Amino acid sequence: EVQLVESGGGMVKPGGSLRLSCAASGFTFSNAWMSWVRQAPGKGLEWVGRIKSKTDGGTTDYAAPVKGRFTISRDDSKNTLYLQMSSLKTEDTAVYYCTTDRVGFDYWGQGTLVTVSS
Amino acid sequence: DIQMTQSPSSLSASVGDRVTISCRASQSVSTYLNWYQQKPGKAPKLLIYAASSLQSGVPSRFSGSGSGTDFTLTISSLQPEDFATYYCQQSFSTLAFGGGTKVEIK
Repeated sequence: EVQLVESGGGMVKPGGSLRLSCAASGFTFSNAWMSWVRQAPGKGLEWVGRIKSKTDGGTTDYAAPVKGRFTISRDDSKNTLYLQMSSLKTEDTAVYYCTTDRVGFDYWGQGTLVTVSS
Repeated sequence: DIQMTQSPSSLSASVGDRVTISCRASQSVSTYLNWYQQKPGKAPKLLIYAASSLQSGVPSRFSGSGSGTDFTLTISSLQPEDFATYYCQQSFSTLAFGGGTKVEIK
């Protein structure tokens, strides 16, 4: 059974940093492209960024609002995906989901809430 | 970047109704178009990928059609568990979601 479990969310002040983790199991993580998707309270879904598998280059892509502030990485030895967030803004407040990124986002974690507030 | 526009933003329907939701891309995305269902407090669920392919385990009352810039999600006979918000998403270029369509009980 595929499982994705996010952790690391919490409250942080504007300008601060936070690192989210996503522990994966039930599939060959090293072969998977992975994405982060967020959802602000009461709003729609917003793609944050993606990392390809190392065999496909391991490259990353980001949405414009987070480019230069957020970094996605992976540790295939630990089956874990990361989202390093810095220079956080109030508008980054959202539930952050990690997803497998294959033909669509086919598996999702339960999400972790990040609140950016002074 | 490609913009995705869904219509309507919300609709009211009854159990048994046929429901159609539209998604328009600002430029062609070929058939790189996926549909998701999200219920309150839950993660989204993939329903349709590549415009018209039904994800494993999804009931056959859900179907998708379209290519290029215009796409449709159809629920042939709305069931009580289908009241939710639906999103389209393009994977042709920089990934992006539509704004969502909330399906409510009439």
